[in-house]
Amino acid sequence: DIQMTQSPSSLSASVGDRVTITCQASQDITNYLNWFQQKPGKAPKLLIYDASNLETGVPSRFSGSGSGTDFTFTITSLQPEDIATYYCQQYDNLPWTFGQGTKVEIK
Amino acid sequence: QVTLKESGPALVKPTQTLTLTCSFSGFSLSTIGMRVSWIRQPPGKALEWLARIDWDDDKFYSPSLKTRLTISKDTSKNQVVLTMTNMDPVDTATYYCARIGMTFAMDVWGQGTTVTVSS
Repeated sequence: DIQMTQSPSSLSASVGDRVTITCQASQDITNYLNWFQQKPGKAPKLLIYDASNLETGVPSRFSGSGSGTDFTFTITSLQPEDIATYYCQQYDNLPWTFGQGTKVEIK
Repeated sequence: QVTLKESGPALVKPTQTLTLTCSFSGFSLSTIGMRVSWIRQPPGKALEWLARIDWDDDKFYSPSLKTRLTISKDTSKNQVVLTMTNMDPVDTATYYCARIGMTFAMDVWGQGTTVTVSS
């Protein structure tokens, strides 16, 4: 299985801050990586697909980059409604695997 | 509008078989390129991909659970069914189904159904 390692596991930032989450795959996954947002008690929501493509309807403050084994997810200006846990997920190889999640809180 | 909804028992006993149904609308699993996956999330833990079924009835399973899982579809009813045998308390989780669209991403998710395994 491909292991997905996210960091940090949690972070606290102020409204308006730039927030960056990294995701490292245990082997080359090209750009077969998605990012999800999960708010408490809710289902995950797709934000970014193919490493850098913004899903329709998702605010432009969210972005993704990277390829190969190293990927980055960025919120350019953190908003109160962005409080959630964020997950990366690879689909290069089965079984599809997720990172352990990054919990984002407001300082 | 694409929607999915999971249904099934909230409580199962150890060793029993769990049957979950994903009922969906807004797309057809007979359309080329459409797929549906099941994912679960134990309380306070990360997401775990379980299985996938494709429009052409190809089926894929998590190797760690392969012997216990069966996924099937009823295209006429717009439903996907997941069965998991020999349930154990560690299988306690919220189970989600999700559509996999043309981008090959799980782009629409159901609300999830919580399953507790306890005697």
